[in-house]
Amino acid sequence: DIQMTQSPSTLSASVGDRVTITCRASQSISGWLAWYQQKSGKAPKLLIYEASSLESGVPSRFSGSGSGTEFTLTISSLQPDDFATYYCQQYNGYFRTFGQGTKVEVK
Amino acid sequence: QLQLQESGPGLVKASETLSLTCTVSGGSISSKSYFWGWIRQSPGKGLDWIASIDYTGSTYYNPSLKSRVTISFDTSKSQFSLKVNSVTAADTAVYYCAREPAYIWGNSRYPSHMGVWGKGTTVAVSS
Repeated sequence: DIQMTQSPSTLSASVGDRVTITCRASQSISGWLAWYQQKSGKAPKLLIYEASSLESGVPSRFSGSGSGTEFTLTISSLQPDDFATYYCQQYNGYFRTFGQGTKVEVK
Repeated sequence: QLQLQESGPGLVKASETLSLTCTVSGGSISSKSYFWGWIRQSPGKGLDWIASIDYTGSTYYNPSLKSRVTISFDTSKSQFSLKVNSVTAADTAVYYCAREPAYIWGNSRYPSHMGVWGKGTTVAVSS
């Protein structure tokens, strides 16, 4: 199976900061990568798919990039509603796997 | 607007079978464009994909759970279901159902990301 490793595990930031989260795959997954946001007690919400495509209704301050084995999620200007946990997920084949998550907390 | 709603027992005894149902409203469960899947999240942990099914009834399973799980659907009720046999404390989790857009790669269709999620149902396994 393909292992997904996110870094950092926790990120402390302030409103207005530019935030970058990295996701690395144990083998090439082309661009078959999605990013999700999850708030406490809620289901994950899709932000980005195919590495860089913004899901409808998601604010444009979220962006994704990368291909192969290294990917990034960037929040251009962190807003109060963005404090949450973020997960990457690969879909290179039927067996999909998630990263362990990155918690974005208030600095 | 598509909505998914999980339902389940809440509490199940160890060694018994867990049965969960996802009811789909606002869209067709028979669409060729999607797979339908189950994902779970153990307390304080990350997300694990469990199983998916497509419009033909073809099923796909996480290898680590394949021997104990079965996914199926009932198009007449617009529902799909998950059964987990011989549950243990390790199966305690929030279980989510989701719609997964299909993508074509080569000559095959594959499930992709989880575009629409249910709110989740909490399952606890008691001894």
